[in-house]
Amino acid sequence: EDKVVQSPLSLVVHEGDTVTLNCSYEVTNFRSLLWYKQEKKAPTFLFMLTSSGIEKKSGRLSSILDKKELFSILNITATQTGDSAIYLCAVSQISNTGKLIFGQGTTLQVKP
Amino acid sequence: GAVVSQHPSWVICKSGTSVKIECRSLDFQATTMFWYRQFPKQSLMLMATSNEGSKATYEQGVEKDKFLINHASLTLSTLTVTSAHPEDSSFYICSAPRWGGQQETQYFGPGTRLLVL
Repeated sequence: EDKVVQSPLSLVVHEGDTVTLNCSYEVTNFRSLLWYKQEKKAPTFLFMLTSSGIEKKSGRLSSILDKKELFSILNITATQTGDSAIYLCAVSQISNTGKLIFGQGTTLQVKP
Repeated sequence: GAVVSQHPSWVICKSGTSVKIECRSLDFQATTMFWYRQFPKQSLMLMATSNEGSKATYEQGVEKDKFLINHASLTLSTLTVTSAHPEDSSFYICSAPRWGGQQETQYFGPGTRLLVL
């Protein structure tokens, strides 16, 4: 059965801390791994990763994929209260256009 | 940029009534759309794949007679929750994929919060 597992499920840090969110997957016909941030409404896109070892970076956020070990990490440096959200990892498959398999999500709370 | 809209954004209804949620792709055509359900503090669970001009494909455990999906045009899919009950209260989100070059991007609607009393 295809599955995506995120850890930790929840995390509480203070402003300025650095956090690492994990996502592992066991999915047939892997195409890409995506990270989303969800606050009160629908998820907003962060990164799409298709190749191993190539870091993607956007401001204080960065992510990398390891296709050999079947996992990805999302790093957030110098966290701010605005980073508080649910972070979702999802995997797409070559055989299922558009369909995403989501992990459980990591709820991040950043305290002032 | 591409946008997916949902209507209504929230709805409160009495138990036993039916509720229709619309998902529209505003500036692109989507032969496929996806419907997700999300309970508080949980991840998105795929309910079904909506296919334009054909029957929807439902995920295991999702009752197709309770969650009716109609994809009548290339820009509109509707989800009808029939005979809603309090346990159907949830956040419903649709998404539509769009191809640009060799890359596919998934666009999410803003979601619909359903509360069944």
